Amino acid sequence: GEDVEQSLFLSVREGDSSVINCTYTDSSSTYLYWYKQEPGAGLQLLTYIFSNMDMKQDQRLTVLLNKKDKHLSLRIADTQTGDSAIYFCAERRNNFNKFYFGSGTKLNVKP
Amino acid sequence: ETGVTQTPRHLVMGMTNKKSLKCEQHLGHNAMYWYKQSAKKPLELMFVYNFKEQTENNSVPSRFSPECPNSSHLFLHLHTLQPEDSALYLCASSHGERNEQFFGPGTRLTVL
Repeated sequence: GEDVEQSLFLSVREGDSSVINCTYTDSSSTYLYWYKQEPGAGLQLLTYIFSNMDMKQDQRLTVLLNKKDKHLSLRIADTQTGDSAIYFCAERRNNFNKFYFGSGTKLNVKP
Repeated sequence: ETGVTQTPRHLVMGMTNKKSLKCEQHLGHNAMYWYKQSAKKPLELMFVYNFKEQTENNSVPSRFSPECPNSSHLFLHLHTLQPEDSALYLCASSHGERNEQFFGPGTRLTVL
């Protein structure tokens, strides 16, 4: 399809791991991104992965990329209440300045 | 604080009003973007400017009119909007091959 797809909601308990999934559309997309949006704020870049990588780790964040299935995931270890936000997956398609974003996954972390 | 500021943060306007949204970036970037964010929908790219030249107009109605006087400033002029135009309008900027975009906090627009 044309859309970058994400599930709308995820609820986890504090201290557990969260896994947010995304399916993108263009197998030639060179960069894939995860953004975080807290209430009342714009999108904040969390991390990105280049398409020739399978995995990228950055502190509590692990990004996994399956190019064959065009599937991207973001794992947050030891999830905290401050991680509650909306997480957006985005792909940069061939066009230099064109990004495509998913609808966002709202992560709710319960104490 | 991402280096991208937007004013106003909130705007309520009637369908016959004319207003403008302003975005300013202090990052030395060369590309600037307007996005529309509606509830439960993907972020919609509206306009792209690269080195002050418009490179993308994503089939946006003419009641939205962008202006980019220089690489640091971007405006979105609004007139005769409809209630369905109520949304969060986000500005972003970027520079370089990696092209990650830095977003402002957005303007929450309500059209009555």
